[in-house]
Formats: sequence, structure tokens, C-alpha cells
Amino acid sequence: AQRVTQPEKLLSVFKGAPVELKCNYSYSGSPELFWYVQYSRQRLQLLLRHISRESIKGFTADLNKGETSFHLKKPFAQEEDSAMYYCALATGGTSYGKLTFGQGTILTVHP
Amino acid sequence: DTAVSQTPKYLVTQMGNDKSIKCEQNLGHDTMYWYKQDSKKFLKIMFSYNNKELIINETVPNRFSPKSPDKAHLNLHINSLELGDSAVYFCASNRQGLWTGELFFGEGSRLTVL
Repeated sequence: AQRVTQPEKLLSVFKGAPVELKCNYSYSGSPELFWYVQYSRQRLQLLLRHISRESIKGFTADLNKGETSFHLKKPFAQEEDSAMYYCALATGGTSYGKLTFGQGTILTVHP
Repeated sequence: DTAVSQTPKYLVTQMGNDKSIKCEQNLGHDTMYWYKQDSKKFLKIMFSYNNKELIINETVPNRFSPKSPDKAHLNLHINSLELGDSAVYFCASNRQGLWTGELFFGEGSRLTVL
């Protein structure tokens, strides 16, 4: 069965500091991974997906199949990055989609 | 122009009661989901419907019964509510056949069982 683990429930950094939110997964198939974010009083929304290999709001994430990790990184954190971040693993192929979420990490960026 | 809307946003009720949460999406998506977020913020899938057909049914007590009258609506009915049902329930949708991993979520419905 698939599983996503985010070891840090809470993460605090100061503005301008680097930030890394950890995510590890367990899945026997070919993984498809995502980061979702929920800002205060907003809906849960997609931040980035590993196949896009893009940087969104300064965040990047690299899939490391050897370490089964998909850590989210940003070199200089901003106060507006404070939010709940979920790592998610997609399974089900193209017939239908299902996301398995980690338990989430609350990121707080202090001024 | 709300994409995925849920009602009610807040629901407080007594143990043993029956309650429903409604979800509607105006994105033209084919697939809708119910996720449960518990007190520890775990977000777990409960059900998924594609064009009114149940396609995902995780290990959920049969007190929970989803109903999809059409592909734009997915309602969740809960019988004989228990304390452990207290959670935030999220509805989500995505377009079938264009699976990109992007789910569009509603704002959530916070259910409190007393």
C-alpha cells in the first residue's frame, strides 16, 4: 500500500532563511508526487508537481527515487509562505486519480 | 464564480443524529471526491465518484453514504453520528481523462459531534 510521511508537524524559520519541508513516500509503482498548500482561510491548492520540474513561488522539489523522497525547498523564506503544506502521492493511473496525502507540515515564517 | 462549494461550512450536532453535507462543482469536472481531515490534520480519501458512479470506496463505516445525483454534485450522508466523526470534510473534483494530479478543493465543512 502507498504511504506518505511528513516527519515534521511544525517548522519555524525566520524570514530570509532557507526552508526544507521533508516528504518520504512508499509505493511499489512509479511515483507521481505533488505538494499542496493551504494558506490561512484559503482552500487547499496545488503548489507544484514533480513531473513539471518547475519553481513555483520560489519553491522547488526534486524526486529522489533512491531515497524515496520529495522534499520541498526554498532558499529564502518569506512571511507569506506561512501555511500548511501537504505532500501527496498519486496512484490509479490515468483511468482515475487518487491522492494519498501526508499528515502535513505547518510552516511558520517569522519576521 | 465559486468552483467547488460545500454546505454547510459548520455543523454542530448530537451523537446519534443523521446529517448531510452537500457539494457542488461548476467546473464541468467528471470526478468528485470526499476527503476527511481529522483533528491531527491527516487528510484521507473516503470516496470518489466518476459520472455518478462510485469508483473509490476506502475503508469507511457504512454509516457514511455518498450520493451523486449528477456529475456536478456529490453529497455525503452520515447516519448515527459518533464522536469520532468530528472532522473537517473536504469535497474535491478533477476532470477525468486529464488526470494531472490537480484536485480542486472546496472550503471544507467542519462537523462537530457532541
